[in-house]
Amino acid sequence: DAGVTQSPTHLIKTRGQQVTLRCSPKSGHDTVSWYQQALGQGPQFIFQYYEEEERQRGNFPDRFSGHQFPNYSSELNVNALLLGDSALYLCASSLVGRGDEQYFGPGTRLTVT
Amino acid sequence: AQKVTQAQTEISVVEKEDVTLDCVYETRDTTYYLFWYKQPPSGELVFLIRRNSFDEQNEISGRYSWNFQKSTSSFNFTITASQVVDSAVYFCALSGTTGANSKLTFGKGITLSVRP
Repeated sequence: DAGVTQSPTHLIKTRGQQVTLRCSPKSGHDTVSWYQQALGQGPQFIFQYYEEEERQRGNFPDRFSGHQFPNYSSELNVNALLLGDSALYLCASSLVGRGDEQYFGPGTRLTVT
Repeated sequence: AQKVTQAQTEISVVEKEDVTLDCVYETRDTTYYLFWYKQPPSGELVFLIRRNSFDEQNEISGRYSWNFQKSTSSFNFTITASQVVDSAVYFCALSGTTGANSKLTFGKGITLSVRP
């Protein structure tokens, strides 16, 4: 049973560029949440997708957008990258209504120079 | 708004010592879930324990135990007979119980170092 997978593992971008991160949920899961974890901090909720729609959103600017595909996989897009966007981006999957069981992927480490 | 406070930032113990990690939370929800996650250097968040707000019974699972006290909004986590492999960052987290409120709110984490 495959767990949550994320790609790429590491990424280096320049300020002002755009980046796309990808997440495949655990088999059978239909809900994907994205979190940003800055160095030395706890993860911060970005948004959650269910049925290809954004269902919840945290306190992040519109530069952060996402998408969920019919196969439940998801993408996180960040436009106009800032140095402060450097972080570990974590994806979590769950079944709708079962927020008490969220499984996390290994994360994508984004460095903005 | 939900908030999780982990006042301890770093703890260092010698192997086989018991260690307790503190967590205090704030929420307006009447029902909620509380969690502890472990994050080793690899970065992946590993689920450890979960507690429903309506069940204050404290339990022990192997070397892990937790103390949930609604009256003080605390959810403390204890590792008994610590091992070097327990060295990691530990996060306490809180979520609602409905699908529309299932986001996790994390504390800042506690770095635990277990010395041989």
